[in-house]
Amino acid sequence: SQQGEEDPQALSIQEGENATMNCSYKTSINNLQWYRQNSGRGLVHLILIRSNEREKHSGRLRVTLDTSKKSSSLLITASRAADTASYFCATDPDVYNQGGKLIFGQGTELSVKP
Amino acid sequence: DGGITQSPKYLFRKEGQNVTLSCEQNLNHDAMYWYRQDPGQGLRLIYYSQIVNDFQKGDIAEGYSVSREKKESFPLTVTSAQKNPTAFYLCASSLDARNSNQPQHFGDGTRLSIL
Repeated sequence: SQQGEEDPQALSIQEGENATMNCSYKTSINNLQWYRQNSGRGLVHLILIRSNEREKHSGRLRVTLDTSKKSSSLLITASRAADTASYFCATDPDVYNQGGKLIFGQGTELSVKP
Repeated sequence: DGGITQSPKYLFRKEGQNVTLSCEQNLNHDAMYWYRQDPGQGLRLIYYSQIVNDFQKGDIAEGYSVSREKKESFPLTVTSAQKNPTAFYLCASSLDARNSNQPQHFGDGTRLSIL
């Protein structure tokens, strides 16, 4: 079952611009995670934000979480061509109470043009 | 270097054949997972294991089987009962499945195609 829906499905920007991706989900969660996937490779973990947190930063990445709206956003500032990848949100629904079982969204394909 | 190794990188399956995808981790993680990814799609959970000698079905387990005889290894068999096996298969692990606030670490995948 797919819980996360990401918006937009594809995003094309110029180097130096900011990129914002959004994720909505349906059930209450323990945490929400963002991952990056380069073409033909595995996923790389970027940030984990817990349900009691509202904002988190890591380098050029900023993640927000609004549990009342069941939504999250990932902001990449001052984007670089190397940021070109697919970005996925994943939720850990607390209804499962099984720890670690994630549900992934369908991803946003980001293209950063030099 | 610690990590997850998936092999082979590319695999071809003939009609009626079972094939096994390998996943090995040296991160000393308790939990391991198998996902299927179709083109332009997100990941769907096939099977997961929270501890050695134990595993549970995910959302799309039909036509697949797994074993977890060793902590480091979680092989996935795609059986002939899986009628649409062409996909990108990803293996992942996490330190302790009892603690939900943990990231998953991924291998680089196996791409399976039908001959």
